Amino acid sequence: GESVGLHLPTLSVQEGDNSIINCAYSNSASDYFIWYKQESGKGPQFIIDIRSNMDKRQGQRVTVLLNKTVKHLSLQIAATQPGDSAVYFCAENISGNQFYFGTGTSLTVIP
Amino acid sequence: DTEVTQTPKHLVMGMTNKKSLKCEQHMGHRAMYWYKQKAKKPPELMFVYSYEKLSINESVPSRFSPECPNSSLLNLHLHALQPEDSALYLCASSQVSRPLPQHFGDGTRLSIL
Repeated sequence: GESVGLHLPTLSVQEGDNSIINCAYSNSASDYFIWYKQESGKGPQFIIDIRSNMDKRQGQRVTVLLNKTVKHLSLQIAATQPGDSAVYFCAENISGNQFYFGTGTSLTVIP
Repeated sequence: DTEVTQTPKHLVMGMTNKKSLKCEQHMGHRAMYWYKQKAKKPPELMFVYSYEKLSINESVPSRFSPECPNSSLLNLHLHALQPEDSALYLCASSQVSRPLPQHFGDGTRLSIL
């Protein structure tokens, strides 16, 4: 399943499928990006980050892709599990310690 | 359990009350943040402290007053709030230098009557 970020803030996928969550960022000067997962009643939890000198970074079951030309980030989750159900935010670091969050995508995993 | 602790978890206050939100971290981080999050919206940056000094104020109304008494503690003093200030207030901390993923607390759910 795939979301288109601002235009489709909800995504439903079957358990075991791969998920793709998209994010468009606003500032071409941003050079550091973070994906967060926020479960109901909790604060955002760090998933993975990427610097602008990279276009891909992999973690455990997650991959982040960065396309600076079109100012686009994506988060790929492999073999999505029910515990992955949450809201996912991308955040861009404009400068120093200044972070701005994208709209977010709500992921629901169907058992 | 998160490494950033926020108290209280819930707070209900009237528009004439004065209250404070507290945040504590023991990870040795020297940057601390306050965010405001409305339901189904992303967190919005309010304040950033770097080495216990206020470095960013995102044009936040003066009824919100931050304080960083030491490197482990961050407070947000509240006075004469409006109903639209009802939200989840999140504290975060990070290293000052990059890369700097932020660690968030679970927030204080604030309701203004």
